[in-house]
Amino acid sequence: EAGVAQSPRYKIIEKRQSVAFWCNPISGHATLYWYQQILGQGPKLLIQFQNNGVVDDSQLPKDRFSAERLKGVDSTLKIQPAKLEDSAVYLCASSSRTDSYEQYFGPGTRLTVT
Amino acid sequence: AQSVTQPDIHITVSEGASLELRCNYSYGATPYLFWYVQSPGQGLQLLLKYFSGDTLVQGIKGFEAEFKRSQSSFNLRKPSVHWSDAAEYFCAVGEYKLSFGAGTTVTVRA
Repeated sequence: EAGVAQSPRYKIIEKRQSVAFWCNPISGHATLYWYQQILGQGPKLLIQFQNNGVVDDSQLPKDRFSAERLKGVDSTLKIQPAKLEDSAVYLCASSSRTDSYEQYFGPGTRLTVT
Repeated sequence: AQSVTQPDIHITVSEGASLELRCNYSYGATPYLFWYVQSPGQGLQLLLKYFSGDTLVQGIKGFEAEFKRSQSSFNLRKPSVHWSDAAEYFCAVGEYKLSFGAGTTVTVRA
């Protein structure tokens, strides 16, 4: 089975610019997560979707970050405007209803803000 | 609140030697515990998980972990390390919302 797909793999932007990341979860997985992993730290959950509804976005900086999961499949995470401290790897993960505690991670998008 | 502490930032081990990575957690109820491995440029791969039952859990790639409730620990072990085990290892706790430790980088020397 195909894994979680993410694009782009790398992105370099200047501060105050905007950027978007795309994630395609494993087919049939109802739950989708976006994590931020800053260098030297573990991943931190930004937002969790169940189908196309938001379950938890308590750690999402809503003044600049937004995410959507239209039709309950693909998801897009956007940052506008970006700050230097947003430099990180953005990981997408998904899980199924039957094994909902096991999350499968994509390769991530490495964002550098200059 | 749930949290994870991984006391060792970096461990160097010789190929063929044993490896133990420490993980301490804080969780209000029966913890759901995970160990993930991350190779450079890759996403996280699940090594093993503990929800309940036998406190010694077997995972992939020859890894095992032991849950000790009295010590709030979930340490990861491997009896004989291979060069391909060089990676970063993360312990995590939670059900749907995972809290990760800061990770332990493992270097394997020949």
